[in-house]
Amino acid sequence: DTGVSQDPRHKITKRGQNVTFRCDPISEHNRLYWYRQTLGQGPEFLTYFQNEAQLEKSRLLSDRFSAERPKGSFSTLEIQRTEQGDSAMYLCASSLDSPIQPQHFGDGTRLSIL
Amino acid sequence: GEDVEQSLFLSVREGDSSVINCTYTDSSSTYLYWYKQEPGAGLQLLTYIFSNMDMKQDQRLTVLLNKKDKHLSLRIADTQTGDSAIYFCAEIGAGSYQLTFGKGTKLSVIP
Repeated sequence: DTGVSQDPRHKITKRGQNVTFRCDPISEHNRLYWYRQTLGQGPEFLTYFQNEAQLEKSRLLSDRFSAERPKGSFSTLEIQRTEQGDSAMYLCASSLDSPIQPQHFGDGTRLSIL
Repeated sequence: GEDVEQSLFLSVREGDSSVINCTYTDSSSTYLYWYKQEPGAGLQLLTYIFSNMDMKQDQRLTVLLNKKDKHLSLRIADTQTGDSAIYFCAEIGAGSYQLTFGKGTKLSVIP
């Protein structure tokens, strides 16, 4: 079990630039989730996929954010025209296809906007 | 929206027991979770409990659930310095796949 893998671990960019993060879930997990965590807060749900279908999106996911999971395996989260308020840890989690199966998290991508 | 509340800080001496408390508002909560986060890292699943249970024990960890009062606690026996971290309580409601987290309790273990 290699766990959930996220890349990069850290990203520093200037305001207005686009960034893309990648998440590789645990291999047999068909559900994949994205959360955002700001300093001193718990993670907040952004979106989730069942296989390649994006089934739910939070109101936190503005139109500058887009997530994909094209082949039902890895996922990407893109932020366009980054703003200072986008600085956060972006966490990916995966689980088996059942609400009773717990979500397992990766180590996250820390985004810093200059 | 639904809410999960935790005290922000807890300090204990090495070898003592730690008890971290959590309250939640979602009456449809089906599963409740405890995650551990060390500095700069992601969340490590510690344990979870189904809402029709009132206790679960796993080695040094004991989870108690009072569904009537919507109160969850995590007891860590024989706390070690390696247990120093932020502990998050989270719940998931019926029919949902979204975890709702508290703000986390920072546990400091004094040698």
